[in-house]
Amino acid sequence: EIVLTQSPVTLSLSPGERATLSCRASQSVRSNHLTWYQQKPGQAPRLLIYGASRRATDIPDRFSGSGSGTDFTLTISRLEPEDFAVYYCQQYGSSPQTFGQGTKVEIK
Amino acid sequence: EVQLVESGGGLVQPGGSLRLSCAASGFSFSDYWMHWVRQAPGKGPVWVSRVNSDGSSTTYADSVKGRFTISRDNAKNTLYLQMNSLRAEDTAVYYCARSQWLPDDAFNMWGQGTMVTVSS
Repeated sequence: EIVLTQSPVTLSLSPGERATLSCRASQSVRSNHLTWYQQKPGQAPRLLIYGASRRATDIPDRFSGSGSGTDFTLTISRLEPEDFAVYYCQQYGSSPQTFGQGTKVEIK
Repeated sequence: EVQLVESGGGLVQPGGSLRLSCAASGFSFSDYWMHWVRQAPGKGPVWVSRVNSDGSSTTYADSVKGRFTISRDNAKNTLYLQMNSLRAEDTAVYYCARSQWLPDDAFNMWGQGTMVTVSS
């Protein structure tokens, strides 16, 4: 199965700053079938990005995804207070679909 | 309202059984592949199982194969997960989730989760 490694584990930033999160796959993700989710404490994950770069419904344009093959990035252009959370990547190009271990974006 | 609502979690002894349910509303449940995903405390999500739209095709993670059974009742708009021979490592929040379009796909709808604790 494909192993997804996210970095950094924790990102300490201030509101208004830019966040760059990385997700590296152990092998190429077929058709760039890579998603990003946001999860806040006590809540289910929320779909942000699918197909590596397509924003899900109602997701603000400060969230963007990029990358292909084995290296993918989630960028939050200017952090809003509600963006401090844990972010997970997921690949669904190969079975079983797998998730990364997460990056926590915390307030500096 | 478009939503998924899980129920059936709780505390169970090792070797025991539990049946989770996921009630869907606000969308055409019978059109979608459905999944169970679990998340141990402080860990990332892990895919558990999926079922196709009419319930005729199922797939499982190796870690639960032979112990868990996914099923659905489209007349009741409900997804199920029968969990047998439970182990401590099955302890997690269990979410039902809807595939966007494909059997393996982004999950664009999640329930709120139900906690399963396996402990003596």
